[in-house]
Amino acid sequence: GQQLNQSPQSMFIQEGEDVSMNCTSSSIFNTWLWYKQDPGEGPVLLIALYKAGELTSNGRLTAQFGITRKDSFLNISASIPSDVGIYFCAGRFQGAQKLVFGQGTRLTINP
Amino acid sequence: ETGVTQSPTHLIKTRGQQVTLRCSSQSGHNTVSWYQQALGQGPQFIFQYYREEENGRGNFPPRFSGLQFPNYSSELNVNALELDDSALYLCASSPGNYNEQFFGPGTRLTVL
Repeated sequence: GQQLNQSPQSMFIQEGEDVSMNCTSSSIFNTWLWYKQDPGEGPVLLIALYKAGELTSNGRLTAQFGITRKDSFLNISASIPSDVGIYFCAGRFQGAQKLVFGQGTRLTINP
Repeated sequence: ETGVTQSPTHLIKTRGQQVTLRCSSQSGHNTVSWYQQALGQGPQFIFQYYREEENGRGNFPPRFSGLQFPNYSSELNVNALELDDSALYLCASSPGNYNEQFFGPGTRLTVL
């Protein structure tokens, strides 16, 4: 089935550092979404992207829809302790109902 | 505005039993999607309901079934439970069948 390759699988950083993670696919997506999931909770939508090349920010978070439509990137600037969690990318094919999720990037922050 | 709610929070069943999970969609949302999330994995699409009709299904066997009610709330039913059905079951609602999906907190199902 369709798969998204998300990297890195885990990150250990110092508070205040910037974070970058990405998601790649062998297929073209029409929509890219980024979610954050805390332990015992459901994923929370961070950013939605709809057009190739689109760059969208949400506070300290910035995400981009890759030009090839096969990848997306998420950056977090000046990380803080509450950024800890698992970040998932998700893609949607044109005309499809389902979201296809990556395996997640686990972010750990050392104070 | 109330977000997506799910019940119960946790559930323990034995192999072969049947289970029903419930989801109330966010106000104004007419579409509900269900996902299964195994430990350490991303969510996997089970199916979607739009205006009370199944509107797409993932690679799950027929013993996974669902319903959507006129108020857009939804149920996920799983028959003949297997050990591998142990997972977090997530419900997501959206204001249309192609829009962003907003997730509930999930139901943690353990099959013994």
